Amino acid sequence: DAGVIQSPRHEVTEMGQEVTLRCKPISGHNSLFWYRQTMMRGLELLIYFNNNVPIDDSGMPEDRFSAKMPNASFSTLKIQPSEPRDSAVYFCASSFAALPYEQYFGPGTRLTVT
Amino acid sequence: AQSVTQLGSHVSVSEGALVLLRCNYSSSVPPYLFWYVQYPNQGLQLLLKYTSAATLVKGINGFEAEFKKSETSFHLTKPSAHMSDAAEYFCAVSDRNNDMRFGAGTRLTVKP
Repeated sequence: DAGVIQSPRHEVTEMGQEVTLRCKPISGHNSLFWYRQTMMRGLELLIYFNNNVPIDDSGMPEDRFSAKMPNASFSTLKIQPSEPRDSAVYFCASSFAALPYEQYFGPGTRLTVT
Repeated sequence: AQSVTQLGSHVSVSEGALVLLRCNYSSSVPPYLFWYVQYPNQGLQLLLKYTSAATLVKGINGFEAEFKKSETSFHLTKPSAHMSDAAEYFCAVSDRNNDMRFGAGTRLTVKP
């Protein structure tokens, strides 16, 4: 199994630009999670999906952030417009929605907004 | 809601010494508990998990953790640290609703 796949691995963009991060979960997993990691705030859950449906988006910081999961094998996290404070590593994780719900993480996307 | 507290944001040990990373949990239902490791510039990798079977759980790379209900703890140990163990370690708790909460992490440094 290839594991959770994220693209791009690195993204550098200017303030105000739109950024789209992509994730392919492990085949057969039906839960998908987006996290953000920074030195100041640690690991934060942004949103998670069960069976392609958003269940909890309370961690999404602002309306500038949006996430979609059009099918079981693909999800996107979009930031529009981006700001320097969005600079972080964004992780996608997936799990099989059965106990004990262990999550498998992708390698992350390092986003730098200048 | 469940939560975990990791005591000590930084732990430093000498190579060959015992590693002890502390985690205490709070949960209203019997929890599932996890330890993850994150190496520099990588995602989190599952080290081990407790799922209400044996209270002493063995994981990868020689790590183990013991679930102690009376102490609400799930500390991670390794008898002898290796240089390659230097990383950040996260404790996590999950309830029966697919809601996993991570601790703030403990950065382990191994001195030669």
